[in-house]
Amino acid sequence: GQNIDQPTEMTATEGAIVQINCTYQTSGFNGLFWYQQHAGEAPTFLSYNVLDGLEEKGRFSSFLSRSKGYSYLLLKELQMKDSASYLCALDNYGQNFVFGPGTRLSVLP
Amino acid sequence: GAVVSQHPSRVICKSGTSVKIECRSLDFQATTMFWYRQFPKQSLMLMATSNEGSKATYEQGVEKDKFLINHASLTLSTLTVTSAHPEDSSFYICSARPANEKLFFGSGTQLSVL
Repeated sequence: GQNIDQPTEMTATEGAIVQINCTYQTSGFNGLFWYQQHAGEAPTFLSYNVLDGLEEKGRFSSFLSRSKGYSYLLLKELQMKDSASYLCALDNYGQNFVFGPGTRLSVLP
Repeated sequence: GAVVSQHPSRVICKSGTSVKIECRSLDFQATTMFWYRQFPKQSLMLMATSNEGSKATYEQGVEKDKFLINHASLTLSTLTVTSAHPEDSSFYICSARPANEKLFFGSGTQLSVL
């Protein structure tokens, strides 16, 4: 099976940088995805890693280390609208996705 | 990007009634669609995988007779919550994946059973 872990909650200040970690145990996967979800809404895609290393997309970056079973999402220049839940998910060889428990981020003024 | 449409967005019903939720892929064909359920402050839990033209695959612990899934065409999957009870109140989200792309989600259905 697959097991994914994320911190439950995080708090950061507007304009700051925050790193949200995701650790996992799995026998294999295609890639690791990060989604953002505001309360009562569907998740929206943020970033995707197949190979080890850093993927940068504007204010959001994601990092993957397969050997360490570890990923993180980095959010820069935090804005109030970034207050949301952040979900990491493993792509189960092109079939279903397995989602982590999610991290609720609160951005304070 | 690909679009997945889900209706209705919100349902309030009495206990014992059945509720049907529709999920459509608008600009691509989806032989497989995924149905997730999410309780407040919890993550997405996969309920079942809907397969066009064949039976759905249910995750462990999900009652297939209670959550009926029909995937009659390449663009439409439906989830019917039969004889809904208050404990079935949840946020239901469908998703689909164009070939070699990321997972796209419908807008979700908030079900409240009184």
